[in-house]
Amino acid sequence: AQSVTQLGSHVSVSEGALVLLRCNYSSSVPPYLFWYVQYPNQGLQLLLKYTSAATLVKGINGFEAEFKKSETSFHLTKPSAHMSDAAEYFCAVRVSGNTGKLIFGQGTTLQVKP
Amino acid sequence: EADIYQTPRYLVIGTGKKITLECSQTMGHDKMYWYQQDPGMELHLIHYSYGVNSTEKGDLSSESTVSRIRTEHFPLTLESARPSHTSQYLCASSDLTGGNSPLHFGNGTRLTVT
Repeated sequence: AQSVTQLGSHVSVSEGALVLLRCNYSSSVPPYLFWYVQYPNQGLQLLLKYTSAATLVKGINGFEAEFKKSETSFHLTKPSAHMSDAAEYFCAVRVSGNTGKLIFGQGTTLQVKP
Repeated sequence: EADIYQTPRYLVIGTGKKITLECSQTMGHDKMYWYQQDPGMELHLIHYSYGVNSTEKGDLSSESTVSRIRTEHFPLTLESARPSHTSQYLCASSDLTGGNSPLHFGNGTRLTVT
């Protein structure tokens, strides 16, 4: 069975600082991994997805994530935080089979301080 | 921007009332999903559908029911609302042409049962 764990429910950074949001996965098969962002009172927006074509995946808004099989990790990073990056971030893994279901991590709230 | 719409955005209703949360998508996706999200918590799948006349219960037990009479429409119904149903409900869809096809989410319905 697949699962994801996000380390740290709250992360606080200063504007301009590096953003690092951690995600570890568990999967007995090659995983399909995703990062989503949720702004207050909105749905989830796709940031990026792992395609297996490259271990470093670039997404929207300057975010990227690196797939590390040896560490079973898919951490999300951004070199320089903006105030507008303050939101909830979710890592997700696709359940194997044909349902298409995603299992989500607990989420990480990113706070950006001026 | 994904074309998936949820109405209403916010709903406050008394205990015992019957409610239907609407979800429609214009992308022609076969697979649709309902997730429940409590404040500050991860998303839990409560229902999904492979296509017309196909519905399945998700991982989290729910007293709600769904129907899929048309490809584009996937409403969720609560026959008798209770305060324990207070939550955010997110609808999503996917074409699942590949394992890394993402879920597209609506903006959610925030339900409060008094």
